Amino acid sequence: AQKITQTQPGMFVQEKEAVTLDCTYDTSDPSYGLFWYKQPSSGEMIFLIYQGSYDQQNATEGRYSLNFQKARKSANLVISASQLGDSAMYFCAMRVPSTGRRALTFGSGTRLQVQP
Amino acid sequence: EPEVTQTPSHQVTQMGQEVILRCVPISNHLYFYWYRQILGQKVEFLVSFYNNEISEKSEIFDDQFSVERPDGSNFTLKIRSTKLEDSAMYFCASSEAGRGTSGNNEQFFGPGTRLTVL
Repeated sequence: AQKITQTQPGMFVQEKEAVTLDCTYDTSDPSYGLFWYKQPSSGEMIFLIYQGSYDQQNATEGRYSLNFQKARKSANLVISASQLGDSAMYFCAMRVPSTGRRALTFGSGTRLQVQP
Repeated sequence: EPEVTQTPSHQVTQMGQEVILRCVPISNHLYFYWYRQILGQKVEFLVSFYNNEISEKSEIFDDQFSVERPDGSNFTLKIRSTKLEDSAMYFCASSEAGRGTSGNNEQFFGPGTRLTVL
């Protein structure tokens, strides 16, 4: 079974600083994908970034980057130069295609608050 | 930019009533999903749908739930007899066919329907 763990229920960061949101995962399958989603207070789920288990480089998308440490089974999200609009819940998720499942397994989320 | 839409945005119903939540996935997507999020908790998978049939479902998706693609554009989730514990945000998502071996099938989520069962 796949499992995603986000150990930080809440995080605070000062505007313009960088912040790292932790995510560890558990799967015995060598092929998997890791996703981060942002959920602002309005409720929608916004895709941020994807990392494949076979990708050679850490994924980056604008101010978002993924610190992927395969041996440690961690996929931490780094947000650089935080903005007030980054305040939201952040969910890490995983998919293991070889199981035939397309469903995403989500972590419990981290609530990020950016302070001015 | 194409997006997943959901209606209604908020549904209030009495316990025991049937509700139908509606979704319009992105038009060229082949896979459709329903997830739910009880207030303050993680997002949980309910069901996926491909080629006009359920391809996968979780233990949450019991006989009270059903899905349908009635007309080639809408994708619906029906709860036959709602319970108090069905109160949650329900998200529809869609994706293209998966590519590669590492599972990249980005799922685009709709804005959600907040279901309140009284």
